[in-house]
Amino acid sequence: DAKTTQPNSMESNEEEPVHLPCNHSTISGTDYIHWYRQLPSQGPEYVIHGLTSNVNNRMASLAIAEDRKSSTLILHRATLRDAAVYYCILRATTSGTYKYIFGTGTRLKVLA
Amino acid sequence: DTAVSQTPKYLVTQMGNDKSIKCEQNLGHDTMYWYKQDSKKFLKIMFSYNNKELIINETVPNRFSPKSPDKAHLNLHINSLELGDSAVYFCASSRGQGAGNTIYFGEGSWLTVV
Repeated sequence: DAKTTQPNSMESNEEEPVHLPCNHSTISGTDYIHWYRQLPSQGPEYVIHGLTSNVNNRMASLAIAEDRKSSTLILHRATLRDAAVYYCILRATTSGTYKYIFGTGTRLKVLA
Repeated sequence: DTAVSQTPKYLVTQMGNDKSIKCEQNLGHDTMYWYKQDSKKFLKIMFSYNNKELIINETVPNRFSPKSPDKAHLNLHINSLELGDSAVYFCASSRGQGAGNTIYFGEGSWLTVV
């Protein structure tokens, strides 16, 4: 199964941009890159996903390296409510079935 | 309206008991999942159903038996509960199985086996 590597934790000041990196050097050509986040005592929540091109939505931006071996989730202005564990996930296919392989994620701490 | 709802939210039970966790989604999705998050916070897929058919079974002990009476429901029944079953169980759903599909998670069911 394709794996992702993320820093265990990061800190950011409120109102500042945050860049959360993810390495996925074993990504295959058909793997989508998904980002989810999990707030305390809640289920994971979708943030963004992409395949090859950079993506933007109301929550964040996703920058994907040209070789697709790494990506960066960008929160443009961190708020206290963005404090969560952020998971970078490859939507992997195994024998025709798709499943998410969650890693350990990055715990983002936002400082007021 | 809650998109993926699961009950109960909290469950404390003794070893050896049998318990069920129910899950319902009102998103009209075809695919549903059960994930387990252990004390170290690792999220691992347990089962996936598509149109009521089992498509993923991740070497889960056969004490765990999912049941999907219809596309909107995926219940998890656990027999002979063990201490190691204590975890948070998340139900989820997606429109389909494709790699670009977004998965929507429920809020979790905290199971404690004593």
